[in-house]
Amino acid sequence: GDSVTQKEGLVTLTEGLPVMLNCTYQTIYSNAFLFWYVHYLNESPRLLLKSSTDNKRTEHQGFHATLHKSSSSFHLQKSSAQLSDSALYYCALSDQAGNTGKLIFGLGTTLQVQP
Amino acid sequence: EAAVTQSPRNKVAVTGGKVTLSCNQTNNHNNMYWYRQDTGHGLRLIHYSYGAGSTEKGDIPDGYKASRPSQENFSLILELATPSQTSVYFCASGDAGGNTLYFGAGTRLSVL
Repeated sequence: GDSVTQKEGLVTLTEGLPVMLNCTYQTIYSNAFLFWYVHYLNESPRLLLKSSTDNKRTEHQGFHATLHKSSSSFHLQKSSAQLSDSALYYCALSDQAGNTGKLIFGLGTTLQVQP
Repeated sequence: EAAVTQSPRNKVAVTGGKVTLSCNQTNNHNNMYWYRQDTGHGLRLIHYSYGAGSTEKGDIPDGYKASRPSQENFSLILELATPSQTSVYFCASGDAGGNTLYFGAGTRLSVL
């Protein structure tokens, strides 16, 4: 079945260094959407980025990701980490079977940015 | 203002007791979802609904029931709560086809 893999459970960075959070996925559907959700402590998880277009860079709030269908990847990047980026980041895949709107989430990566 | 509202925000229950978690959305979305969040497991889908009167099992439905009495409201019911159901529960609303899910602020449930 469909799945999402986020290999890193915890990423610790020093402020100002680049961010890269890995996400790979498995699906048989060529039209699947990939998402990055961010969950700040004591807030609701919310959408950061989404894409269904192969090889097109998507950007929002300083973060960017490019969906690569050839490698089934949707890595999240940022050029320079800020303290305020510390949060839990989920990669998610739309469940295209039956068009239910369900999302399949990875296990999440906690990003800790230190001074 | 929050478009997905969960209540209560925190709940302590006793083993064997009944717990009802409520969710209200003002997005006019057809679909609503209940997820639980646990360290090492991410967000896992418990139940979801396509509209008033419908409920569907998600990936981990055992021990939970759901109720969708109206477009706006979706409840998660634990008839006989167990300590393994201690978790943070998130409700979300959305439409089908790759659209964004909008989450509530979560309910922290402790079953003692």
